[in-house]
Amino acid sequence: AQKITQTQPGMFVQEKEAVTLDCTYDTSDPSYGLFWYKQPSSGEMIFLIYQGSYDQQNATEGRYSLNFQKARKSANLVISASQLGDSAMYFCAMREGPGSSNTGKLIFGQGTTLQVKP
Amino acid sequence: EAQVTQNPRYLITVTGKKLTVTCSQNMNHEYMSWYRQDPGLGLRQIYYSMNVEVTDKGDVPEGYKVSRKEKRNFPLILESPSPNQTSLYFCASSYLQGGQETQYFGPGTRLLVL
Repeated sequence: AQKITQTQPGMFVQEKEAVTLDCTYDTSDPSYGLFWYKQPSSGEMIFLIYQGSYDQQNATEGRYSLNFQKARKSANLVISASQLGDSAMYFCAMREGPGSSNTGKLIFGQGTTLQVKP
Repeated sequence: EAQVTQNPRYLITVTGKKLTVTCSQNMNHEYMSWYRQDPGLGLRQIYYSMNVEVTDKGDVPEGYKVSRKEKRNFPLILESPSPNQTSLYFCASSYLQGGQETQYFGPGTRLLVL
């Protein structure tokens, strides 16, 4: 069964520093996708970045990068040069497939609250 | 502008009164999905749809129905709402291109069932 875990309920980072948010997953399917989302205090959900299991390179999107370590089953989000506006809840998620019986089914981690200090 | 819209944004209703939360996307995405978010329980998927007329259950489908008669719309139906369906609901759509997936979320619907 697929499972996803975020072990850091809360994190602090100084403005302009880099921060890593941890995410580990478990699946027996060789094909899957990993996602990260940001939820500010205003409540909206914002998609940040995607990593496919067959991607050879780590995904990057602006200041966000996904440190994908397949053998360790980890998909950590790295935010470089933190800004005050990065303060939010961050969720990791996984979807198996294509080709899996669970294709389409998305499961989420519990989230990590990040606070950026000025 | 690419967007996912949800209506209503806020709703207070009473137990047993059928309601529909609409979700519409203007990007011709095949995949659409509904989620609920509850304190302490995080985000959980209710239903998803891989394409028109193709829907499937997520982790918490009980008490909900969906339909996908056309690509742009994916309404969430609560036939007989109960207080335990009080939650924040998100609709999302996504596309996969060149091995990369991009997702778009609606603004959310806050539902209170009395």
